[in-house]
Amino acid sequence: RKEVEQDPGPFNVPEGATVAFNCTYSNSASQSFFWYRQDCRKEPKLLMSVYSSGNEDGRFTAQLNRASQYISLLIRDSKLSDSATYLCVVIRSSYKLIFGSGTRLLVRP
Amino acid sequence: GAGVSQSPSNKVTEKGKDVELRCDPISGHTALYWYRQSLGQGLEFLIYFQGNSAPDKSGLPSDRFSAERTGGSVSTLTIQRTQQEDSAVYLCASSYGTGQFDTQYFGPGTRLTVL
Repeated sequence: RKEVEQDPGPFNVPEGATVAFNCTYSNSASQSFFWYRQDCRKEPKLLMSVYSSGNEDGRFTAQLNRASQYISLLIRDSKLSDSATYLCVVIRSSYKLIFGSGTRLLVRP
Repeated sequence: GAGVSQSPSNKVTEKGKDVELRCDPISGHTALYWYRQSLGQGLEFLIYFQGNSAPDKSGLPSDRFSAERTGGSVSTLTIQRTQQEDSAVYLCASSYGTGQFDTQYFGPGTRLTVL
């Protein structure tokens, strides 16, 4: 079993839709949580950190449920430019990023 | 400012040859990381440098893989006697420190194809 699991998708949604991704992690010692975005044939870029209290950045909302060991990302009012692969990332030690395989999002006109 | 740069961007080699991949981190970043992204796989951690030292080499898949960092800056990942299963995108990242909230910034990667 992978340490970080994600539904690979693709999620195919129309512009303006709301879409949510979940991610589960197996190691309860995981300390920090992030969502990265990766465009096709590009490097991953940090989208947002995920805090226990939940956090929001514009159209993006991230939630962490430590008891159930899952992380979510909600995207409201989807734009064409949101089409990408979204990588769930956890940190166990202070520096080693553990990546999920990613969830692919396609936003259609 | 300049981001993480990697070279070459693409490398095609024959099975059994050695390859060297280079990473230039963001200026002032003390920590440097190598990851590998294979088709259908997530990114996997290979090795981490703090300055010129590599406290964690746990992700290197075999003894054919080695890495060094000189002057606290440029790093080279060397793969000896390449195999077809080494084909992947090799990504380098750097961060200012190694705290859990020190963001790792990734370079564009080197796409390695072993024929």
